[in-house]
Amino acid sequence: GAVVSQHPSWVICKSGTSVKIECRSLDFQATTMFWYRQFPKQSLMLMATSNEGSKATYEQGVEKDKFLINHASLTLSTLTVTSAHPEDSSFYICSALKTAEPYEQYFGPGTRLTVT
Amino acid sequence: QKEVEQDPGPLSVPEGAIVSLNCTYSNSAFQYFMWYRQYSRKGPELLMYTYSSGNKEDGRFTAQVDKSSKYISLFIRDSQPSDSATYLCAPAASGYSTLTFGKGTMLLVSP
Repeated sequence: GAVVSQHPSWVICKSGTSVKIECRSLDFQATTMFWYRQFPKQSLMLMATSNEGSKATYEQGVEKDKFLINHASLTLSTLTVTSAHPEDSSFYICSALKTAEPYEQYFGPGTRLTVT
Repeated sequence: QKEVEQDPGPLSVPEGAIVSLNCTYSNSAFQYFMWYRQYSRKGPELLMYTYSSGNKEDGRFTAQVDKSSKYISLFIRDSQPSDSATYLCAPAASGYSTLTFGKGTMLLVSP
């Protein structure tokens, strides 16, 4: 199989605090992981591409200082939402590209973030 | 024009019906065409993918790509209530490039 996990599955935080979301590929190595955001009834919007051992590449309009991404190993990438505000409330989903099968991108179950 | 367009639905069908889900795209560079299924409040699940034009069958699912008209289809035979979900098409320029998602079509299969 190709399983990707995310933790936590949901989180509520106060405005101004930071939240870290973990994305793990459980049974395969992923040199590349992606972070998406999805608002209700909207499509997945790519936020950034994370490559193991190097800096993440952010999509236009995504603040890299607000959404910190670290891809420290072949199985773990983290997204930290710094100084969160209510408008950051969304469904955050990561995916991992299976190194041996580049066209198969596997998604995590998502993390629902609510900022109060 | 958006890069990938899908009718958001919902598309309501009775159990056992043949379902046709479609996407159009504008980027000629797309070579890989993925279909994902997403249940409510869950991450997308890869259903199948095709490379370039042609058909690909996997069980009850058939993916079809017509690059000349930039049209992508997913057919579901003998649809089941468990098929009720949002179906996202996601083409890519290469196996290593990022996916461009359509908004998804919500499918409702009633028993």
